[in-house]
Amino acid sequence: GESVGLHLPTLSVQEGDNSIINCAYSNSASDYFIWYKQESGKGPQFIIDIRSNMDKRQGQRVTVLLNKTVKHLSLQIAATQPGDSAVYFCAENQAGTALIFGKGTTLSVSS
Amino acid sequence: GAVVSQHPSWVICKSGTSVKIECRSLDFQATTMFWYRQFPKQSLMLMATSNEGSKATYEQGVEKDKFLINHASLTLSTLTVTSAHPEDSSFYICSARDGSLASYNEQFFGPGTRLTVL
Repeated sequence: GESVGLHLPTLSVQEGDNSIINCAYSNSASDYFIWYKQESGKGPQFIIDIRSNMDKRQGQRVTVLLNKTVKHLSLQIAATQPGDSAVYFCAENQAGTALIFGKGTTLSVSS
Repeated sequence: GAVVSQHPSWVICKSGTSVKIECRSLDFQATTMFWYRQFPKQSLMLMATSNEGSKATYEQGVEKDKFLINHASLTLSTLTVTSAHPEDSSFYICSARDGSLASYNEQFFGPGTRLTVL
């Protein structure tokens, strides 16, 4: 079936750098996209979401970009901090269906 | 708001026994709950979708007789792993959809339950 995938399994950055995590999705019918942060042994933690009628959304230190033409989603984290170290998942769905998760990118921030 | 709890947070059991995991929405009514399984260093895989008062819909490859799901109320869903075996050891995560929200996309996740079968 269709699923959401990720381009890069690991990303290592220095504290203070900006991080960009990418995600490719294959279901063109998806109308909702979301990024989660997961720390070891914990459930997914909401970061930011975006609907298909938008191409950019900003939160505190985070920005999500959606390119529906190439079915690409990215998460930008500004001034990355050691506390941002975790696994990041993108997920997508259509209204009424379950969220389907991508493979995950491990972000490692060194100080 | 929108808090989902799971109990227990971790459980260790012997092979062949059954284990029940509870998922509760604490401050909203969950018309739909979802169960996911996550193996180490892998993503969350959807196991089943359950709507209150009706039978769960299982994803392909998930045995409905092994993973019994009950969603008897708008705040509680249970997952019972029957005759557990070591290969069932995993992190089980539930999520819930708030039936009062206009958006039918959002799901709120529980903290997960670590199951270890010896």
